Amino acid sequence: QLQLQESGPGLVKPSETLSLTCTVSGGSISSSSYYWGWIRQPPGKGLEWIGSIYYSGSTNYNPSLKSRVTISVDTTKNQFSLKLSSVTAADTAVYYCARIWFGELLFDSWGQGTLVTVSS
Amino acid sequence: QSVLTQPPSVSGAPGQRVTISCTGGNSNIGAGYDVHWYQQLPGTAPKLLIYGNNNRPSGVPDRFSGSKSGTSASLAITGLQAEDEADYYCQSYDSSLSGWVFGGGTKLTVL
Repeated sequence: QLQLQESGPGLVKPSETLSLTCTVSGGSISSSSYYWGWIRQPPGKGLEWIGSIYYSGSTNYNPSLKSRVTISVDTTKNQFSLKLSSVTAADTAVYYCARIWFGELLFDSWGQGTLVTVSS
Repeated sequence: QSVLTQPPSVSGAPGQRVTISCTGGNSNIGAGYDVHWYQQLPGTAPKLLIYGNNNRPSGVPDRFSGSKSGTSASLAITGLQAEDEADYYCQSYDSSLSGWVFGGGTKLTVL
């Protein structure tokens, strides 16, 4: 059974870079049928797609965040990572990693999420 | 401001039927991209509820159904149960953004 697990600091200072890693188990990140993505949810608000990556390293990002986001993949570790630079309090959110089924363009498996708070 | 528009809240009594709308535009739902629905119980990650406009993953009760027409889609829940109280999100793909888009979410309250 596929499992995704987010990891990284729960507290980041304003203007610094938020870094999270998603570890995939029970399946290969190198599968040709899937993308891998990051989604966030500010407290009490809705879901926002941040960006996605294919195992080859091909990426696409939400235009509203593109200038600050980098997503990378490490197929040897079955992991993919998110970096969000120059964070502010508005970036405080639960960050989810998820698998994207390319055939239907949907998120079919999610991590449990990790809360990242931006505060000094 | 979400690309897909949902009502903030809906409610219904146990046993009743409720619907949640999701309105998009010509670069997402209207462009032919499928609509998918997720259920998010309090404090948990979203779970896929309906995929490909009207298909249920295994394990999802047939009380849940979806439909799509033009630039809009709907989720219907019949025979409301207390356990259905959750937030519901629609999702599609947007060709203008070259990425995935969500509705703002609808909170379902079972009275």
